[in-house]
Amino acid sequence: GAVVSQHPSRVICKSGTSVKIECRSLDFQATTMFWYRQFPKQSLMLMATSNEGSKATYEQGVEKDKFLINHASLTLSTLTVTSAHPEDSSFYICSARVTGRANNSPLHFGNGTRLTVT
Amino acid sequence: AQKITQTQPGMFVQEKEAVTLDCTYDTSDPSYGLFWYKQPSSGEMIFLIYQGSYDQQNATEGRYSLNFQKARKSANLVISASQLGDSAMYFCAMREGRWDQGAQKLVFGQGTRLTINP
Repeated sequence: GAVVSQHPSRVICKSGTSVKIECRSLDFQATTMFWYRQFPKQSLMLMATSNEGSKATYEQGVEKDKFLINHASLTLSTLTVTSAHPEDSSFYICSARVTGRANNSPLHFGNGTRLTVT
Repeated sequence: AQKITQTQPGMFVQEKEAVTLDCTYDTSDPSYGLFWYKQPSSGEMIFLIYQGSYDQQNATEGRYSLNFQKARKSANLVISASQLGDSAMYFCAMREGRWDQGAQKLVFGQGTRLTINP
């Protein structure tokens, strides 16, 4: 159980275009989802916390107008990279926690999206 | 200041040997949780083990155990009888506070790349 599906797994886009990444919790509800970014051989950096039915909370230094997050339902959050540039090329990975579970419950991660902007 | 520190960028171990991956953390919150994740080259994040700050005993999950030394603020992962499939990046992460009291995120360390040699 607790499966998180992320789509697409890979995307190549041209500079200036927008890309949408979907994150779905398949067998549980998630009022909160998290979006991380990972550069090669580096750690996961939290970009934003996605809250169902309300605005996302962005980490310091993350442009909210560039990385649009929508959490339209208890099972779906989307990250849109607007006007993508080559420096946005990275591995984006979403995660979610089963709402209401105990404090030892982990974050469950999607398989990530590798974005390449040409 | 770094909240989570993993000082070993890379570790090389012979198959069937035990290996310890170091993790130290920094928090003033008396309630926190520590997580270890494995990230194979394919990119997915696999949850391994959890230790709560108030847990009296060290956590164990199969071949994984956590050497929790609260006074030293360390939470080292021990993998017994290593296997070739254990080769991956390993991340230590911390949640400050409790999920059920509004804690919202995990912060990750830099990771350790573990290579198991046959």
